Parts: sequence; structure tokens; C-alpha cells
Amino acid sequence: EAQLVESGGGLVHPGGSLRLSCAASGFTFSNYWTHWVRQAPGRGLEWVANIKTDGTEIYYVDSVKGRFIISRDNAKSSLYLQMNSLRNEDTAVYYCARGNGEGGFDIWGQGTMVTVSS
Amino acid sequence: QSVLTQPPSASGTPGQMVTISCSGSSSNIGTNTVSWYRQGPGTAPKLLIYHNNQRPSGVPDRFSGSKSGTSASLAISGLQSEDEADYYCATWDDSLSGHVFGTGTELTVL
Repeated sequence: EAQLVESGGGLVHPGGSLRLSCAASGFTFSNYWTHWVRQAPGRGLEWVANIKTDGTEIYYVDSVKGRFIISRDNAKSSLYLQMNSLRNEDTAVYYCARGNGEGGFDIWGQGTMVTVSS
Repeated sequence: QSVLTQPPSASGTPGQMVTISCSGSSSNIGTNTVSWYRQGPGTAPKLLIYHNNQRPSGVPDRFSGSKSGTSASLAISGLQSEDEADYYCATWDDSLSGHVFGTGTELTVL
């Protein structure tokens, strides 16, 4: 069964850093674009970033450009999100998701909570 | 603020059909395919529709999607109590060079 499992969330002070990980299993990770999507408490879904199968194409939402870095290690079937200069408004549940190649996100992790607070 | 607009709420009675709209622009829905997601309380989103009107395996045919111009719709027929959830549309936006989600619609089954 295809599965994604996030880890690395926690409480961090404003200006701090955190690295999220997403471990994939049950499918060939290197064949799929993968994404980070977040959801602030009580709010809707917000796409954060994505990365091509081989890491050669990367896109970010404007609000995280210059602060977040998405990366992947296909040998470890893992996706990462390095989050720097964190702000209160980055507080959210962060999900990793698999792109199905036709515009849909067909596999989602359970999410990991990131809280930015002093 | 999202560039895709959905009604904040929708409702229907068991057995009815409900339609949820998603309004965008020429740089997103007008040019790219739309997907739809359902999210229950405290759970991860689930893909319902991709490529405007395609259902992943396991999604009942009660769920259907359509797109016309810069708008898209999700129709749910034979409404069931377990359909109570939040629903989101999504697509790629060429101007933003990124994916965008709709504002979300909370569906209530009366």
C-alpha cells in the first residue's frame, strides 16, 4: 500500500528553523512529483512547494520563497522541507502529498504540526 | 486570499444532489485541469476528482466533476450523512507558477 509519513514537526520560536521529513513506501518514489501542503488552524489548504522527480524543477508559494527549501533523496524515498526564518503565520499542519501526474494529489500523509510561537 | 473562490457552505438532505462551485480565472482553471478533495475533521484530504472529471479507483460514481471556462463544479448525488466534510478544488496557476486551492466549502447533510 502506498503511504507517506511525515515527521519533524514541533514548537519553534519566531525566527527559528525546523526540518520536516516525509518517508514514502509502497511505491516507486522517484517516479512522482511530490508536494508540501499546509493548513493553518481553522483555515483552508495552502500549497507550499513541489519538486520534480529528479529534483531539477522546484516551485514555491510566494510567502515562503527565500525561507523554505524543498528537497528529496530518491535513494531514501524521502522528501524534506527545510524551514528557516519561521514566522507565527507559518503555524500549520504540514502534509506531504504525491502528485498523480494528472494534476491530482492522490496520496497524502497524516500531517505533522508546526507551531511558531514565543 | 485564494485565487479560487468557493461558497463557504452548502447543504442538502439525504438522497439529494448537491453542487459545489469553484470560480477562477484564465491563468488557472481556464488553462489547467481541476482536482477536488474531501477533508473530514482532523483527517488528511482525500482525492475525489482529478483532470476535471476523472475518479480515482474506489471513489463512488456519486461524485462527478465538470469544468467550463474559468469555473468548475463538483456534484454529489445520493447525498449521505458521511458526505459531511470540507471540500476543496485545486489547480495550477500559470501566473503564480504554483498550485492553488479553493477557499473550501463546508457541506452539511441536514
